[in-house]
Order: sequence, then C-alpha cells, then structure tokens
Amino acid sequence: DGGITQSPKYLFRKEGQNVTLSCEQNLNHDAMYWYRQDPGQGLRLIYYSQIVNDFQKGDIAEGYSVSREKKESFPLTVTSAQKNPTAFYLCASSIPPQGAGNQPQHFGDGTRLSIL
Amino acid sequence: GQNIDQPTEMTATEGAIVQINCTYQTSGFNGLFWYQQHAGEAPTFLSYNVLDGLEEKGRFSSFLSRSKGYSYLLLKELQMKDSASYLCAVRDMSNTGKLIFGQGTTLQVKP
Repeated sequence: DGGITQSPKYLFRKEGQNVTLSCEQNLNHDAMYWYRQDPGQGLRLIYYSQIVNDFQKGDIAEGYSVSREKKESFPLTVTSAQKNPTAFYLCASSIPPQGAGNQPQHFGDGTRLSIL
Repeated sequence: GQNIDQPTEMTATEGAIVQINCTYQTSGFNGLFWYQQHAGEAPTFLSYNVLDGLEEKGRFSSFLSRSKGYSYLLLKELQMKDSASYLCAVRDMSNTGKLIFGQGTTLQVKP
C-alpha cells in the first residue's frame, strides 16, 4: 500500500542535542512538507521541497534543517537552536503543485517530540 | 497578512447536523481544503472547493463563497466517531502547493 511513514512515533530530546525525524513516502510524489502542530493550534509550515535537491524555508524554519537527497525521503533535524521543540511533527507529500488541482496533501502519522 | 478563522470548539448531538465555519483572508486563493484529524493522528482529507458552491460527499458537504472569503463544512447524521478536529486550509497562489491552516475546530459529538 502506498503511503507516508514517519518514525519514530515518539522521540525524546536532551538539552543541547540534535534529533532527526524520518519521513519516507512511496507515493511517487515530488513535493514534501514538514509541519509543526502545538496543542489546540493549526499546522505551521517548517520546510518544504518541490523537487529532489531543493528545499525552501517555511514560516517557522529557525532551529530546524532538512535535506532532500532522494525523492522518497525528507528527514527533518531539530537542532539545539530550537528552544521550544516539544510538539507534534507531521510530514506530508503531494503531486507537483502546478498540476495539483483537487489533489490534497497526504500526511504521515506524525512524531511526537518531547524534552527530557 | 494571511489569516484563517474557525471556531475553537463545537458540541453537537448524535444524529444531528452541524456546520463548521471558516473565514479566510489570504493574499491569494487556489483552493480550500477540509481535513479531519483525530487526536494524535494524521489529518485525513475530506473535501476540496475551488469554485463557489456546494460539494457533497456522502454525509459531508463543503461550501465556498470566494467573494466573501467563507467556507463551511456540513456534517449530517452525526456519529460518535465524528468527534475530532476539523482543519480548514487554503492553498496559496505561489505554485508551491503550500497550505495555510486555520487553528482547527474540535467537535464533540454527544449521545
């Protein structure tokens, strides 16, 4: 079955530590996105990538980094510079925006990150 | 600026009808999406509107008025499993596919 896999489901970070969240998709989508969700709030865009080897900052990119070396994979690193990393992180993918029409973004099951 | 407003919480009774409103003010518009999200889970796609009018999909319908910057999601014959958050999102005109999300409406369905 095609879909988006995020791992791990739960992650704990120590002070001063970088952690990496995995996102893999087998939907053959070109575009991938990372969102952060805080309790009672909507999704905020961290980074997005429209094609391999290219990515752009979203609205809240500070303290985060990404890479897009393969079409299927878009890992997110939460660096020690992100002072308030506790949140629910969601990865999404979609077909190229230019032809998206009514095609939605598809989401993974999320990673919940907490501070130790 | 970009702004999408939804009520924070709503309560309805099993078997009833509920309407969740969404108003938006964005620099561009290229479609509006509704997603359902159960607590701790991924959002799942419900509906899409790009032209004015009503789109119906079983128990769920969504309406759009572009001139008013307004949409609503209508849920009929409510079931307990409909208790979830409902997210309204607008796709901007930038050709990046970016979505701007409202804060979500948490719906509680009571027996």
